Amino acid sequence: DAKTTQPPSMDCAEGRAANLPCNHSTISGNEYVYWYRQIHSQGPQYIIHGLKNNETNEMASLIITEDRKSSTLILPHATLRDTAVYYCIVRATTSGTYKYIFGTGTRLKVLA
Amino acid sequence: GAGVSQTPSNKVTEKGKYVELRCDPISGHTALYWYRQSLGQGPEFLIYFQGTGAADDSGLPNDRFFAVRPEGSVSTLKIQRTERGDSAVYLCASSSQGTTQYFGPGTRLTVL
Repeated sequence: DAKTTQPPSMDCAEGRAANLPCNHSTISGNEYVYWYRQIHSQGPQYIIHGLKNNETNEMASLIITEDRKSSTLILPHATLRDTAVYYCIVRATTSGTYKYIFGTGTRLKVLA
Repeated sequence: GAGVSQTPSNKVTEKGKYVELRCDPISGHTALYWYRQSLGQGPEFLIYFQGTGAADDSGLPNDRFFAVRPEGSVSTLKIQRTERGDSAVYLCASSSQGTTQYFGPGTRLTVL
């Protein structure tokens, strides 16, 4: 079973910040939080990941709560091209398969 | 640099036939993963290779599915006696050991 819970869909106005929440209340101390997105008919695209601290890159910011039970992906200025399904995944850091267990994600629609 | 490539991009076959799907990982990546994605669902893990060996094949649905990676680079997913329920997008991802996975564009398999 997926270890994460996300809202099935969200809308965001173009140019505004999109804040996508993820609940991972059973996360272990050695598990990273990863975010991917999937635009229609393409493979999942890596966005960002983190362990404890907040992270930022050219695509997005990741805010992880202090207890690590939830996180938020922030797209600071959403564009129409950000319309996609966004997946939040937790993955072990130590030895093992490192396989991803995907949920059904959040379908983000950016509105003009 | 070149990303993960998958061929063919689309494959249509008849029930009962045998199919092979190919994945070319990012050069130097030792880990390779296969996932399957049905319509409206997140990707589902099938098998993981570390080098030439299948380190985890727990996601393969039955013995009609088999995958190889003989030289530790290119991998082939083989499906025998295809069934209509095998219709899906088959995704391949590669990574350095224990790091971020990068996905290919997928092969859309349709079994008539």
